[in-house]
Amino acid sequence: SQQGEEDPQALSIQEGENATMNCSYKTSINNLQWYRQNSGRGLVHLILIRSNEREKHSGRLRVTLDTSKKSSSLLITASRAADTASYFCATSSNTGKLIFGQGTTLQVKP
Amino acid sequence: EAQVTQNPRYLITVTGKKLTVTCSQNMNHEYMSWYRQDPGLGLRQIYYSMNVEVTDKGDVPEGYKVSRKEKRNFPLILESPSPNQTSLYFCASSLSRGGPRDTQYFGPGTRLTVL
Repeated sequence: SQQGEEDPQALSIQEGENATMNCSYKTSINNLQWYRQNSGRGLVHLILIRSNEREKHSGRLRVTLDTSKKSSSLLITASRAADTASYFCATSSNTGKLIFGQGTTLQVKP
Repeated sequence: EAQVTQNPRYLITVTGKKLTVTCSQNMNHEYMSWYRQDPGLGLRQIYYSMNVEVTDKGDVPEGYKVSRKEKRNFPLILESPSPNQTSLYFCASSLSRGGPRDTQYFGPGTRLTVL
């Protein structure tokens, strides 16, 4: 089964609201990454959080990591219509594999 | 411009006809990887390479081959494509030598249809 599982699968909000997406995983990790994908296009890296970090910020993005619960969350504050996309978490471990979740589809309505 | 390129971007082929999808990066990255993306299944790793002449199976390697003879290139080979390999394929690379610890840079994708 997938290492990373995201919740919710789909999220629809109004512009200006905050969007929160969650990711759970099963095994030990070196880091956890979040990516964004606009429809049918390549993924774009958003943020990487290492296993010894608990929180990280980048602009309107805030990522938390709880290794005891094997979970991470991505918060997008003051969302914009341009944030409409699919968001994926990916976990990296010592095996060399990078395992992606199934993604959360975010729709931000203007 | 730092980038990952894939060719072709779109391909329609028939069952059993061998094909190769090329991937090239100009960032001197050590780690390269292939993924396929299918509706409802997210991205699944096919093969990855930590360095030249070093390749390993990902989660869904059946029906695919790869090679890493040069650092910049990582072609994906389908010896005998079947309809269940119809998918959107992405190549990605990252700087890290020891594993995918760094940012993955993705190519634009190759949409493959096998009839």
